[in-house]
Amino acid sequence: DAKTTQPNSMESNEEEPVHLPCNHSTISGTDYIHWYRQLPSQGPEYVIHGLTSNVNNRMASLAIAEDRKSSTLILHRATLRDAAVYYCILLYRMNYGGATNKLIFGTGTLLAVQP
Amino acid sequence: KAGVTQTPRYLIKTRGQQVTLSCSPISGHRSVSWYQQTPGQGLQFLFEYFSETQRNKGNFPGRFSGRQFSNSRSEMNVSTLELGDSALYLCASSRRGSGGADEQYFGPGTRLTVT
Repeated sequence: DAKTTQPNSMESNEEEPVHLPCNHSTISGTDYIHWYRQLPSQGPEYVIHGLTSNVNNRMASLAIAEDRKSSTLILHRATLRDAAVYYCILLYRMNYGGATNKLIFGTGTLLAVQP
Repeated sequence: KAGVTQTPRYLIKTRGQQVTLSCSPISGHRSVSWYQQTPGQGLQFLFEYFSETQRNKGNFPGRFSGRQFSNSRSEMNVSTLELGDSALYLCASSRRGSGGADEQYFGPGTRLTVT
């Protein structure tokens, strides 16, 4: 299973942009990069995912390095509600081409947002 | 559209008993995955079902089993409960189960306490 590396914690101020980094140097060509977050006392929540190109949605942007060995989740204006653990996950296809939705969660990055 | 629902939300059982947890995916979603979350081990993948077939399984003992019905609803069963099975059990569903290209939606979880 391809692994990801994230900082244990980060801090941001409210209404400022936040850049959450993720390293995945062993990523393979068919691995998608997914981001989920977990707010306190809730189940994980999908944030965004991508394969090669940068992606934007209403929640965040995902910037993927050209060699795909790293990516950055960008929250354009952090709010107190964005305080959560953010997980960067590689979602792979099984070797023989079968699909899977198995998410392998690491320890993630705990984002604290200061008012 | 209703989200992923899990029942019951809280459960207290005694060692040696068995328990069945239920998950109703978002309407139209065909893939259901189960995860266990504990403070010590974090989020760990249990198994995934797609169109009533188990497609992937995590590293859990055979006491943990599951199934999926024709309406995509899923149940997981834990037999001979141990104290270490106390955890938050989360269910996630996705529409296509296409492996990587699909976002997953999590339910609120079932908090199981084994005494």
